[in-house]
Amino acid sequence: NAGVTQTPKFQVLKTGQSMTLQCAQDMNHNSMYWYRQDPGMGLRLIYYSASEGTTDKGEVPNGYNVSRLNKREFSLRLESAAPSQTSVYFCASSVDAGETQYFGPGTRLLVL
Amino acid sequence: GENVEQHPSTLSVQEGDSAVIKCTYSDSASNYFPWYKQELGKRPQLIIDIRSNVGEKKDQRIAVTLNKTAKHFSLHITETQPEDSAVYFCAASKTGANNLFFGTGTRLTVIP
Repeated sequence: NAGVTQTPKFQVLKTGQSMTLQCAQDMNHNSMYWYRQDPGMGLRLIYYSASEGTTDKGEVPNGYNVSRLNKREFSLRLESAAPSQTSVYFCASSVDAGETQYFGPGTRLLVL
Repeated sequence: GENVEQHPSTLSVQEGDSAVIKCTYSDSASNYFPWYKQELGKRPQLIIDIRSNVGEKKDQRIAVTLNKTAKHFSLHITETQPEDSAVYFCAASKTGANNLFFGTGTRLTVIP
């Protein structure tokens, strides 16, 4: 039981490049989330998916898109990366909305 | 939306002493309050949570108290050990809601 997994662990991008962050969970959870973590600002919700086939904006969605590929997988896409998107990105999942969230190991992204 | 404030931002204690971290929230409808511990370079991990139908919850050396009237909740760690050194985040949410609002974190250092 791997829990929540994320790929890649590290990534360096140039401004304007695109990339997709992958997340998968094997706990049969309905809800999945993407957060970013910046120094001194805690974790902020980018997008979430309450169930397979649905996605909604969180606190800081600008510059990102998401896809809930199936119940297990939830990807985050940066279409045109900007230096302001340099951050640590965490994926999380929960049985349902409002239940305990379990986090993946994170992806460190540097945009030059 | 919800606003969660966390204090202090840094806390140093001697090994064996107690540590207390406090959070306030703004939305009186919030009723789920988890605490996460994050070690350097690692994922946030749930250490304890409380729902608004109880005022206190304990798990060995860790306890959380909730004052719904004042809209604040606190984490108490007794008999601190060096392995308690980490960043601690409080959060608030509502039943059935996907948005989990985090505080900005407290860096706890336990001095041997």
